[in-house]
Amino acid sequence: GAVVSQHPSRVICKSGTSVKIECRSLDFQATTMFWYRQFPKQSLMLMATSNEGSKATYEQGVEKDKFLINHASLTLSTLTVTSAHPEDSSFYICSARDRGERIPYEQYFGPGTRLTVT
Amino acid sequence: KNQVEQSPQSLIILEGKNCTLQCNYTVSPFSNLRWYKQDTGRGPVSLTIMTFSENTKSNGRYTATLDADTKQSSLHITASQLSDSASYICVVTDQTGANNLFFGTGTRLTVIP
Repeated sequence: GAVVSQHPSRVICKSGTSVKIECRSLDFQATTMFWYRQFPKQSLMLMATSNEGSKATYEQGVEKDKFLINHASLTLSTLTVTSAHPEDSSFYICSARDRGERIPYEQYFGPGTRLTVT
Repeated sequence: KNQVEQSPQSLIILEGKNCTLQCNYTVSPFSNLRWYKQDTGRGPVSLTIMTFSENTKSNGRYTATLDADTKQSSLHITASQLSDSASYICVVTDQTGANNLFFGTGTRLTVIP
């Protein structure tokens, strides 16, 4: 099956610093990647949709200047949390849509990144 | 408003027992419905996917059903194992050009020995 990786799996940073999270599709090309955040005991909440080579589309209430998304290639998207604060601590999950769409509209999820801001 | 609701919110069962999780949705137009398993601290993993014309689909000990008329789905787990302890999330995709995903809040299943 299609594999999506995320790096790092967990990160602890100090308040005010920036953190970059990578999302890679390992065995397929992804024209579209999605970034979600998940708080404890809650479901995934879509933050933004990124298409290769174009600007990301952010969901209402998500600050695009705080959560910078770059989708530079068909296999890599990055999420940078700028000037992180403790309230940004969360579980961040990416997903990727297979360009070939072996299964129509299937999204493959990464294993997630646990961000803790102290 | 497009919504996906799951019940129960949490469930505890004995190892070896069966259980059924429910999902009701109001997403329209409907494209497909998926059940995911999410282990703690991990990303969701797809269990089944069903389109409008499919009533049931199995994946090992997991069997999903879909009633597109009543907009209900269920996930039945047979002969539960300790490793089945996880959150199970129902996700419905609409049939718009954006193919938006709508997530349920999940059912937290705990299997005890």
